[in-house]
Amino acid sequence: EVQLLESGGGLVQPGGSLRLSCAASGFTFSSSAMSWVRQAPGKGLEWVSALSSGGDSTYYADSAKGRFTISRDSSKNTLYLQMNRLRADDTAVYYCATMGTGWVLRSWGQGTLVTVSS
Amino acid sequence: QSALTQPPSASGSPGQSVTISCTGTSSDVGAYNYVSWYQQYPGRAPQLIIYDVSKRPSGVPDRFSGSKSGNTASLTISGLQAEDEADYYCSSYAGRSKVFGGGTKLTVL
Repeated sequence: EVQLLESGGGLVQPGGSLRLSCAASGFTFSSSAMSWVRQAPGKGLEWVSALSSGGDSTYYADSAKGRFTISRDSSKNTLYLQMNRLRADDTAVYYCATMGTGWVLRSWGQGTLVTVSS
Repeated sequence: QSALTQPPSASGSPGQSVTISCTGTSSDVGAYNYVSWYQQYPGRAPQLIIYDVSKRPSGVPDRFSGSKSGNTASLTISGLQAEDEADYYCSSYAGRSKVFGGGTKLTVL
């Protein structure tokens, strides 16, 4: 069974940084592209970033470009999202998900809440 | 990376059918057969229910079906059940990015 467990969320001041982690199990992590999706309180889903299975290709939404960095450590079966220069509108639950052909998001974690506030 | 357009709400009685539309552009929905739909209950993570426009993952009832015409995709739920009350999001590959719809809250009357 695919399991994805996000961690690293919390309260951070505007302009601060946070690194999210997504621990994966139940599938061959090194063979799967991965993605981060966020959901602001009471709002819809927003795609944030994606990473190829080999880690050599990265993709970002305009809102994340230049501030967020997606990476993976296949030796630890873990996906990361380094978030810098955080803003109030980055406040959201952040989900990691496995990504298949056509960028379909097949399996999702339970999410981790990031709150950006002074 | 503009969001796809969905109606904010939809409703139907048990046993009826309901269709939720998802309108994009020739750069996303119209360009690729990579439309997917996700169901989300309050406080829970989204779950994939339709991918590649009309395919169902194992375990998803065949009451759920998807289609596409031009720049508009649709999700149809037939034989509506109380457990179908949830938020539904469409999504499309958009060329090195992914775009979601704003979501539709489905109420089972």
